[in-house]
Amino acid sequence: ETGVTQTPRHLVMGMTNKKSLKCEQHLGHNAMYWYKQSAKKPLELMFVYNFKEQTENNSVPSRFSPECPNSSHLFLHLHTLQPEDSALYLCASRREEGSTNYGYTFGSGTRLTVV
Amino acid sequence: GEDVEQSLFLSVREGDSSVINCTYTDSSSTYLYWYKQEPGAGLQLLTYIFSNMDMKQDQRLTVLLNKKDKHLSLRIADTQTGDSAIYFCAESLNTGGFKTIFGAGTRLFVKA
Repeated sequence: ETGVTQTPRHLVMGMTNKKSLKCEQHLGHNAMYWYKQSAKKPLELMFVYNFKEQTENNSVPSRFSPECPNSSHLFLHLHTLQPEDSALYLCASRREEGSTNYGYTFGSGTRLTVV
Repeated sequence: GEDVEQSLFLSVREGDSSVINCTYTDSSSTYLYWYKQEPGAGLQLLTYIFSNMDMKQDQRLTVLLNKKDKHLSLRIADTQTGDSAIYFCAESLNTGGFKTIFGAGTRLFVKA
């Protein structure tokens, strides 16, 4: 366990379904992130939340909807996904303090398959 | 532009040293990182180096930074089968939000 917990670990959903991914950290970090990891592609940053405020949305389709109710929890709501959205979705958190960047703590990811 | 490049594969024998190389393009990087990803898991931060350092050693891991050539390397001494994983190089840019750029990862195979 890294201190960042993601659920579920695996998810299979149809293109018309609605589901949510959950991420939780109790490390006292003040920034949380969603990344997408697809085969043979670099990690893609999707969303950034800093002190619960969304600070970045990297041109992600609206079928992905993030929610950050507090600094410890992050959700990714999914609806009407496409097969090409199948990937490993990684949550990460980080402590940002002045000019120091301590690096990410990642969760184990949710392996999503869209059928 | 911002880019981090790594070779895709490296194969070594158990007990040998492994050297994984990375090049980056942005000279404004503040921190550089090495992450490890084992099958079915997320990325785990192995070590990081501040951009004004040349070298950092942590047990079997040695990180070398050549800022002039924008080259970063990770040396794993006495490589074990448990070191088989994908290793990601990443740089952090102090752009007012610590943007992080990841490489595509180097898959390390350790032969017994």
